[in-house]
This record gives sequence, C-alpha cells and structure tokens, in this order.
Amino acid sequence: NAGVTQTPKFQVLKTGQSMTLQCAQDMNHNSMYWYRQDPGMGLRLIYYSASEGTTDKGEVPNGYNVSRLNKREFSLRLESAAPSQTSVYFCASSRRRQGLEAFFGQGTRLTVV
Amino acid sequence: GDSVTQMEGPVTLSEEAFLTINCTYTATGYPSLFWYVQYPGEGLQLLLKATKADDKGSNKGFEATYRKETTSFHLEKGSVQVSDSAVYFCALFNQAGTALIFGKGTTLSVSS
Repeated sequence: NAGVTQTPKFQVLKTGQSMTLQCAQDMNHNSMYWYRQDPGMGLRLIYYSASEGTTDKGEVPNGYNVSRLNKREFSLRLESAAPSQTSVYFCASSRRRQGLEAFFGQGTRLTVV
Repeated sequence: GDSVTQMEGPVTLSEEAFLTINCTYTATGYPSLFWYVQYPGEGLQLLLKATKADDKGSNKGFEATYRKETTSFHLEKGSVQVSDSAVYFCALFNQAGTALIFGKGTTLSVSS
C-alpha cells in the first residue's frame, strides 16, 4: 500500500544545476499538488493539477515547472536551482471533492549550495 | 484569498497537561477544515477533519469543532503524552476544491 511516493529523499545541487523531483500515487486520485515547507512559513503551494493534462500555479510558482505525465505521476522541475529553493518539498494527492483528505509523500530535502 | 492563521509556537507542556492550539480561517463559502500532524523527519498525516459548521472531528484523543460564527477550528486534547510531540498544521480546502491552504504550523513539545 504505497500511497504517495517521492524520489529522491535527499538531494544537494549546485547553483544553476537542474533537477526533477518525481511523485507518483497509486490511489487513483485526480488532484495532485507540490508544496514547499520552510521554517516559520508552513507549507506553501507551488503548483497543482486538478486532473491529467492540466496544471495551475499556486502561491510560489516562480523558478519551477511541472508536468502531469499521466494520472499517477506529477513531476516538479527546477531548471536553474538557486539557494532560495533550499527547502523540503512535499507532493500530495486527493480526490477532487470537498471534504476529502489529501495524502502526502515523505518529502524531498533539497539543498542548493 | 483564503488563509489560515494559527497560534505561534513553540508550545511546551508537561505530560498530562491540557492542550489548545488556536486556528482561525478566512475563506468564502464553507470550506472543509483539517488538522494535520508532522512527526520529526516524516511527512504530514491527517489528524482529524470537519466538513460543515458545528461538526466535531476527533482522533487519538484530539478534538476540534468547526465554528462558522467565529471562523475557528481550535485543536484540543485533555491530556497530552510525550508521543504527541510534533508539528501541528491547521488547513482548509478552498471552495473550488483545488488546493489545501495551510497555517504556518505550531510545534508542540511534551516533557515527562
């Protein structure tokens, strides 16, 4: 019973490098999300996808791109990493209906030096 | 836009003390409300939820009541344990159902 799986768990990048964070869910959920967690800031929404083939910006989208590859997978790409993107990134998924909870992955701890 | 405000931490309590973590929200319509918990080094887990006014969510001794008149969803527990030490997040699902909006989190530390 995997739920939401994120890879990698840890990553160190140099400024200017690119990388893709992967997320997959096996619960047949329509909606998927990417959040970043920073001390004292809570979780802030980067992008979300209400269904396969659609994506929308959240609160802090600058410097990121996303791809909803299929219903299961939602990836987050950093094209040119900056130290300000050092954070813990969480992927989540839910059914697209009020009142239903979102399920979270274990997180990716990214450090940009 | 929609937002959630929760009390600043950290909250430090002795075992068996009473816990209250305040949460208020701003939103259009009638959003669903949630409390999530994050244990050290882990992702977020749903603790409890309420989907309409006057609903009470409860789980593991924690409770929260959806108060539309005061736009609040305060978390309470009568007797905390050391194992309750974690970060607690209040959240709402916006009316369109497109995203969870989180508060900044409250760190709870319980000592024996």
